[in-house]
Amino acid sequence: EAGVTQSPTHLIKTRGQQATLRCSPISGHTSVYWYQQALGLGLQFLLWYDEGEERNRGNFPPRFSGRQFPNYSSELNVNALELEDSALYLCASFWVSEAFFGQGTRLTVV
Amino acid sequence: AQSVTQLDSHVSVSEGTPVLLRCNYSSSYSPSLFWYVQHPNKGLQLLLKYTSAATLVKGINGFEAEFKKSETSFHLTKPSAHMSDAAEYFCVVSGGSSNTGKLIFGQGTTLQVKP
Repeated sequence: EAGVTQSPTHLIKTRGQQATLRCSPISGHTSVYWYQQALGLGLQFLLWYDEGEERNRGNFPPRFSGRQFPNYSSELNVNALELEDSALYLCASFWVSEAFFGQGTRLTVV
Repeated sequence: AQSVTQLDSHVSVSEGTPVLLRCNYSSSYSPSLFWYVQHPNKGLQLLLKYTSAATLVKGINGFEAEFKKSETSFHLTKPSAHMSDAAEYFCVVSGGSSNTGKLIFGQGTTLQVKP
């Protein structure tokens, strides 16, 4: 069984640009979570999608957005990139009470 | 509101000695609690979880944790550390009507294992 997959593994962008990160959950999982892991800040909850709807979002500005597709895969979009957006972005799919994490996308803003 | 506090940001042990990583939680509801491990440049792997069944939970790689409601703690232990245990460990709380499905992470504890 394939796990949660994220792409790309690394992404380098310039300040002010937009970044798009992708996540495919484990087959059959309908919930997808996004987390930001920035240096020194731990893991911060970004967004939660379930059955195609945004269910909850963390304390992040509106330039962080996303969506979930009918096949339950998800995109995270970050507009107007700032240097402090540099971080590891982790996606997880949720089943019952357990979260399964992907390997993450390392976003570097220069 | 729910929160989780990992009491040590860094723990150093010698190979073959016991490991104790401490975690306290705060929850208005009956929580689900987890420990995850993250090796360098890797995603997070579930070590074990507590979901209101047995208070002593056994996980992978010889780790276990005990849920103590009176102390609001969920400390992670292992009898004998191995070099491969060196990693970042996260205590996580989930559940409650206002945070349904949202996982709250502790700040993490870096475990160093010395030969």
